[in-house]
Amino acid sequence: AQTVTQSQPEMSVQEAETVTLSCTYDTSENNYYLFWYKQPPSRQMILVIRQEAYKQQNATENRFSVNFQKAAKSFSLKISDSQLGDTAMYFCAFGRGSTLGRLYFGRGTQLTVWP
Amino acid sequence: DVKVTQSSRYLVKRTGEKVFLECVQDMDHENMFWYRQDPGLGLRLIYFSYDVKMKEKGDIPEGYSVSREKKERFSLILESASTNQTSMYLCASSAPGTSAYNEQFFGPGTRLTVL
Repeated sequence: AQTVTQSQPEMSVQEAETVTLSCTYDTSENNYYLFWYKQPPSRQMILVIRQEAYKQQNATENRFSVNFQKAAKSFSLKISDSQLGDTAMYFCAFGRGSTLGRLYFGRGTQLTVWP
Repeated sequence: DVKVTQSSRYLVKRTGEKVFLECVQDMDHENMFWYRQDPGLGLRLIYFSYDVKMKEKGDIPEGYSVSREKKERFSLILESASTNQTSMYLCASSAPGTSAYNEQFFGPGTRLTVL
């Protein structure tokens, strides 16, 4: 079974600062995908960023970027210039390159951005 | 944009009742999923379906069943609701793994309380 570990249940950051959320995973697969999802207080889960394991270049989406270390099986999310609207639960997820599309989720990190 | 809708945002039921949670997606996705979300436990997969009338057990299927009679609709059934099934239920859908990197699109969630 695949496991995804988020070791930080809660984190906080001041507005405009940078914060990094950690995620590690365990797999013997070579073809897989990694995701960060955000769940704000409204409860709607939204995809933040994704990374294909075969790509060496780290994915970036505006203020969000990842540090993908394949050998270490680490996939951290960096949020730059944090905004109040970034306050949410963040979930790291792992998906195998198969047609069934199942994802394995970590337990989440609650991020609070303070003014 | 993909839209995943769930029949209720909040639901209150009594112990022993049969409960139906409905999920509909409008993007012709093959894969559909039901998760339950509890504080500190993240998202746990209950059941998923990769085609009409097909279903696969997830990690916590006990006490639940599902139905997928049409491609766009995936129902979660609690045959006899119990208090330990009080939780947030999230539905998601995705295209097959050859496209969209297994990205899952989520509904807004149903918060179920069993009294």
